[in-house]
Amino acid sequence: KAGVTQTPRYLIKTRGQQVTLSCSPISGHRSVSWYQQTPGQGLQFLFEYFSETQRNKGNFPGRFSGRQFSNSRSEMNVSTLELGDSALYLCASSLDTGMDEAFFGQGTRLTVV
Amino acid sequence: GEDVEQSLFLSVREGDSSVINCTYTDSSSTYLYWYKQEPGAGLQLLTYIFSNMDMKQDQRLTVLLNKKDKHLSLRIADTQTGDSAIYFCAVGGSYIPTFGRGTSLIVHP
Repeated sequence: KAGVTQTPRYLIKTRGQQVTLSCSPISGHRSVSWYQQTPGQGLQFLFEYFSETQRNKGNFPGRFSGRQFSNSRSEMNVSTLELGDSALYLCASSLDTGMDEAFFGQGTRLTVV
Repeated sequence: GEDVEQSLFLSVREGDSSVINCTYTDSSSTYLYWYKQEPGAGLQLLTYIFSNMDMKQDQRLTVLLNKKDKHLSLRIADTQTGDSAIYFCAVGGSYIPTFGRGTSLIVHP
């Protein structure tokens, strides 16, 4: 059974640009959550999608957005990138939102220069 | 909101037991988790405990929950060099848990 796949693994962008990250959940999983991990702030919840609907949202500015497709794959987009957006972005998938069933991808390392 | 605190570092000798501690603030939390993150990898769920339990044991891992003090601990018996990683405590009462900053476990041969 394939795990959670995040692409790309590494990304370098310039301030002001926008970026789209992709997450393919485990087959059959309908919930996808996104997290931002930085040394200073730790692991912070961005948002969670279930059956193509955003069900939960963390405390991030509107520059951070996401969506989920009918096959449960999810994308997150960050517009007008800032240096502080440099982080490891992690995606987790689960059948529903019970975190006991959540599996994390390896993450996308975004560097903003 | 929920606040989850962990010490940043723990250093142990191979073969010793490791105890990683976590405190939280929301007494209504019902799910408490321990995750492991190895370098360059995502988070791996190690174990979890419900708030109506005091202890859970799974092979070398023992989770202890003190609800009165809002204190959670993870004990790793016979710690190996392969256990070196960052360990995250996560606590939640609804769907989305709050994570601690993580404890870096360093195992010396």
